Amino acid sequence: DQQVKQNSPSLSVQEGRISILNCDYTNSMFDYFLWYKKYPAEGPTFLISISSIKDKNEDGRFTVFLNKSAKHLSLHIVPSQPGDSAVYFCAASGEYGNKLVFGAGTILRVKS
Amino acid sequence: IAGITQAPTSQILAAGRRMTLRCTQDMRHNAMYWYRQDLGLGLRLIHYSNTAGTTGKGEVPDGYSVSRANTDDFPLTLASAVPSQTSVYFCASSANRGVSDGYTFGSGTRLTVV
Repeated sequence: DQQVKQNSPSLSVQEGRISILNCDYTNSMFDYFLWYKKYPAEGPTFLISISSIKDKNEDGRFTVFLNKSAKHLSLHIVPSQPGDSAVYFCAASGEYGNKLVFGAGTILRVKS
Repeated sequence: IAGITQAPTSQILAAGRRMTLRCTQDMRHNAMYWYRQDLGLGLRLIHYSNTAGTTGKGEVPDGYSVSRANTDDFPLTLASAVPSQTSVYFCASSANRGVSDGYTFGSGTRLTVV
C-alpha cells in the first residue's frame, strides 16, 4: 500500500490562477516532506520542502502547507505560469532515514 | 557542469540478458540512490548507498544489484532482465544523510525489456 498518495492524476489551470496540488500520507513517522517537479525526458528537480515542525513554507510563487493531524500537505502555485506545466511529485522521509518515499505524481497543465 | 550522468539514455534489451545502468556524480555526495518510475506508481526506491563501500535494499530490490566501489559511481545491474523491469530508471544523490537539501537526479535511462 502506498504510504504517500497523490489522488489527482492530473490538474488543469488557467494561467494566472492558483494551482493547488494535494498529497496525503499514512506513515506518522514521516517528519520531512518535499515537492519535486519533473519535465519530460528530464530527472525530477527539487522544488520546496517543509519540516514537520512547521505548517507552512513559502518560496516565491510556491507555498507548501502541512496539516499533520490530517496527514495532508498541499503545494500552492500563485500565479500559475505555462512553464509550470510538469509532473509534480510529493515525497516524504523519516522512517527510513534519508530515503525518500514518493507519491505517484500529478500532471499539471497551465493553459495560456 | 556538476551533476549526475546516467548512461545509456535509452535501451531496448532482450529478456534474459544482463544489463548495467551507469551512474556517475561529480558533486562528491556521500549518498546515492536508484529509483524506477512507473505510471501510477511514482518513483520507487530500488537500492541505495549511504557512503562508498556500503549498499542497502530499497522497496523493490528483487532482480537488481548495485555496487559502490568509490564515491562517484553507483552502477545498477539487472542480472537477467524480465519484461516487468521495463521502466524509467533514475539515479540520484544527496550530500549527507539528511534530506533538507533534497536529492539531485540524473536525466534517467528508459529501459524496454522485450
